[in-house]
Amino acid sequence: DIQMTQFPSSLSASVGHTITITCRASQGIGTYLAWYQQKPGKVPNLLIYAASTLQSGVPSRFSGSGSGTDFTLTISSLQPEDVATYYCQKYNSALGLTFGGGTKVEIK
Amino acid sequence: EVQLVESGGGVVRPGGSLRLSCAGSGFTFGDYGMSWVRQAPGKGLEWVSGINWNGGSTGYADSVKGRFRISRDNGKNSVYLQMNSLRAEDTALYYCARTFLAAAGLVGWFDPWGQGTLVTVPS
Repeated sequence: DIQMTQFPSSLSASVGHTITITCRASQGIGTYLAWYQQKPGKVPNLLIYAASTLQSGVPSRFSGSGSGTDFTLTISSLQPEDVATYYCQKYNSALGLTFGGGTKVEIK
Repeated sequence: EVQLVESGGGVVRPGGSLRLSCAGSGFTFGDYGMSWVRQAPGKGLEWVSGINWNGGSTGYADSVKGRFRISRDNGKNSVYLQMNSLRAEDTALYYCARTFLAAAGLVGWFDPWGQGTLVTVPS
């Protein structure tokens, strides 16, 4: 099975700063990757699919990039409402729709 | 507005069974695959099972294969998860999610998600 490793597991940054979360696949998965945001006590929300396609309604400060094994989620100009745990998810195979372990983002 | 509402969770003893339901509205239910994703208390997300638009294709995580069964009734805009031989490690919030195809026959991403229904299997 392809494993998905997210890092860092947590980070703290100031409002207005840019942060980057990395998701690494143990084998190449093309661009078959999605990102989700889960705010505390809330339901996961789709941010990005196909590695870089922004879901409708998601603020443009969120962006995704990468292909193969290395992917990044970037939040430019971090806002207080971005406090959440972010998950990547690979979907290159019917044999396992695997999520990364999550990255918890807090405001400094 | 697209909406998914889960029901059927509860407390069940180890070895017991439970059937979860998820009712969809606000979209053409029969046009989409559906999935169940769970989240143990304080933990991350784990895909559990998925079913294609007409129920002709299903998939399961290794952790539940042989114990859980997914099904759907497009006439009732509903998807179900029959859970048998439940274990303490199945304790989680179970989310239902509309599922998009990344390519022909390739399950992709999930959007939206329901509010979840809690399953507790005491150890």
